Amino acid sequence: AQSVTQPDIHITVSEGASLELRCNYSYGATPYLFWYVQSPGQGLQLLLKYFSGDTLVQGIKGFEAEFKRSQSSFNLRKPSVHWSDAAEYFCAVGQISGGYNKLIFGAGTRLAVHP
Amino acid sequence: NAGVTQTPKFQVLKTGQSMTLQCAQDMNHEYMSWYRQDPGMGLRLIHYSVGAGITDQGEVPNGYNVSRSTTEDFPLRLLSAAPSQTSVYFCASNGGQSLGYTFGSGTRLTVV
Repeated sequence: AQSVTQPDIHITVSEGASLELRCNYSYGATPYLFWYVQSPGQGLQLLLKYFSGDTLVQGIKGFEAEFKRSQSSFNLRKPSVHWSDAAEYFCAVGQISGGYNKLIFGAGTRLAVHP
Repeated sequence: NAGVTQTPKFQVLKTGQSMTLQCAQDMNHEYMSWYRQDPGMGLRLIHYSVGAGITDQGEVPNGYNVSRSTTEDFPLRLLSAAPSQTSVYFCASNGGQSLGYTFGSGTRLTVV
């Protein structure tokens, strides 16, 4: 069965430091991959998505992610973190079933940013 | 353009009560879905719809009903609320398989 693993439950970084959030997926075919961000008390906002083509994907808010098929990974990166990036981040894989793209989410990584 | 609108934002129910969570989208999206979010478990799919009149079960459908009479609306019904249904519920819509999902702001439900 398809699954998504985010190994880090909590991550703390200093403002201005670089960030990498890990995501590993299990999926038989070429996956649709997503990263979402959730600020406290808010819904989920799409950061970026990968469907095909260039394996380095640029998203909003200065985030990028790299798809590595050999490692079944889709890690999210940002070169310099801002205090406003503190939030929970979810990786998801799209599973096509019955003509519908179901999202399977990881458990999330909560990011704290120290000044 | 409001996107996906969920009501209410907060609700407290007693065990055994029923209620309907409302979801409406104004983007003419065919695909809509309901997720529940629980700590440490990410989001799990409850039910989804690929168009008006067509619904199907997701990962955790028990205790919930849905219907899709119009493209815009996709209500989620709790038939007899249980404490295990205490959660945050999100509605999402998608205009096509390759597009990202747009999520509503959520409904926080507590069943006592």
